[in-house]
Amino acid sequence: NAGVTQTPKFRVLKTGQSMTLLCAQDMNHEYMYWYRQDPGMGLRLIHYSVGEGTTAKGEVPDGYNVSRLKKQNFLLGLESAAPSQTSVYFCASDPGTGDGANVLTFGAGSRLTVL
Amino acid sequence: AQSVSQHNHHVILSEAASLELGCNYSYGGTVNLFWYVQYPGQHLQLLLKYFSEDPLVKGIKGFEAEFIKSKFSFNLRKPSVQWSDTAEYFCAVKGTNAGKSTFGDGTTLTVKP
Repeated sequence: NAGVTQTPKFRVLKTGQSMTLLCAQDMNHEYMYWYRQDPGMGLRLIHYSVGEGTTAKGEVPDGYNVSRLKKQNFLLGLESAAPSQTSVYFCASDPGTGDGANVLTFGAGSRLTVL
Repeated sequence: AQSVSQHNHHVILSEAASLELGCNYSYGGTVNLFWYVQYPGQHLQLLLKYFSEDPLVKGIKGFEAEFIKSKFSFNLRKPSVQWSDTAEYFCAVKGTNAGKSTFGDGTTLTVKP
């Protein structure tokens, strides 16, 4: 049982380049989230999804897009990367209902540097 | 909107010292409360959670937290810390009508052997 898997783990981009971070979970969780972690600022929610085909904005959505075409995958896209998007990105999932609901399972993180 | 405030950014303790990390939240309704921990080089993981049962919640590794509704607080405690407790600790709140959790800024705990 892999849990939540994020790819890639590390990436360096130049300003203006685009990229996609992939999050995959094998727990049949309904809810999925993308957070960014910056020193002294905790985890801030970028976008989230409460089910296949749905997405919603979090606290800091600007400059990012997401898609949830399949229940197990949640993609985070940067269309035109900026140095302010240098961060560690965490994906998390949550069953949504039932046992374990509201408890987040996190991926290992993806460290992105934008030059 | 929900929010979380953690009182300490960095705490340094010697082994066997007692620990208390402060957490206050803001939300106009019923909440679920969490403490997550991130050990060096590891995933964020759940330490303990409050889901409207006993306000004194026990978690893994001897940690506990007390929910005080009148103070909107959910402080984390451990009577005697170990070097292996060195980590970053995050308090989080999720309103029962909210679709997402909100995290505090985190507290880095360093335990000196």
